[in-house]
Amino acid sequence: RKEVEQDPGPFNVPEGATVAFNCTYSNSASQSFFWYRQDCRKEPKLLMSVYSSGNEDGRFTAQLNRASQYISLLIRDSKLSDSATYLCVVKPDSNSGYALNFGKGTSLLVTP
Amino acid sequence: GAGVSQSPSNKVTEKGKDVELRCDPISGHTALYWYRQSLGQGLEFLIYFQGNSAPDKSGLPSDRFSAERTGGSVSTLTIQRTQQEDSAVYLCASSLSSVFYNEQFFGPGTRLTVL
Repeated sequence: RKEVEQDPGPFNVPEGATVAFNCTYSNSASQSFFWYRQDCRKEPKLLMSVYSSGNEDGRFTAQLNRASQYISLLIRDSKLSDSATYLCVVKPDSNSGYALNFGKGTSLLVTP
Repeated sequence: GAGVSQSPSNKVTEKGKDVELRCDPISGHTALYWYRQSLGQGLEFLIYFQGNSAPDKSGLPSDRFSAERTGGSVSTLTIQRTQQEDSAVYLCASSLSSVFYNEQFFGPGTRLTVL
């Protein structure tokens, strides 16, 4: 079983729509959680960290449910420029420290 | 300031040849990471350096893969006797340290194609 699982999509939504992505992780001792964004043929870039209490950054809201081992990302008022692949990323427990576990990503296409 | 740089950006090689991929991390970043991304797959962790040492090499897929880092800066990933399944984008990332999480900044990657 893959450690981080995401629905690959693609999600095709019109401009202005709200879209939500979900992710599950298998290691209950995982410490830290992130969403990265990857544009086509580009490197991944950090979009936002995910905190236990949930956090918001402009149109983006991230939620973490440790009991269900579930992470979500909500994008409101979608823009054309939001089209990308969104990677759910989990940092394992402190004993394995450093490496990030990436999901395969969810593809989003925002259309005019 | 300058980000993580990698060279070459593209490499086409024949099966059985050795290749060397280079990563220049952000100045001052002590932690350096190598990942690879195969078509349709998520990023796969390969190896990490804290300074010049690599405490965990278990992510390297086979003994044909090796990596080194000298002077706490530039790192090279070497693949010997390349196979077609080695074709992937090899991504390098760096962060300020690995003791506490610090954002990993990725380079643009080296796209390796083994014919």
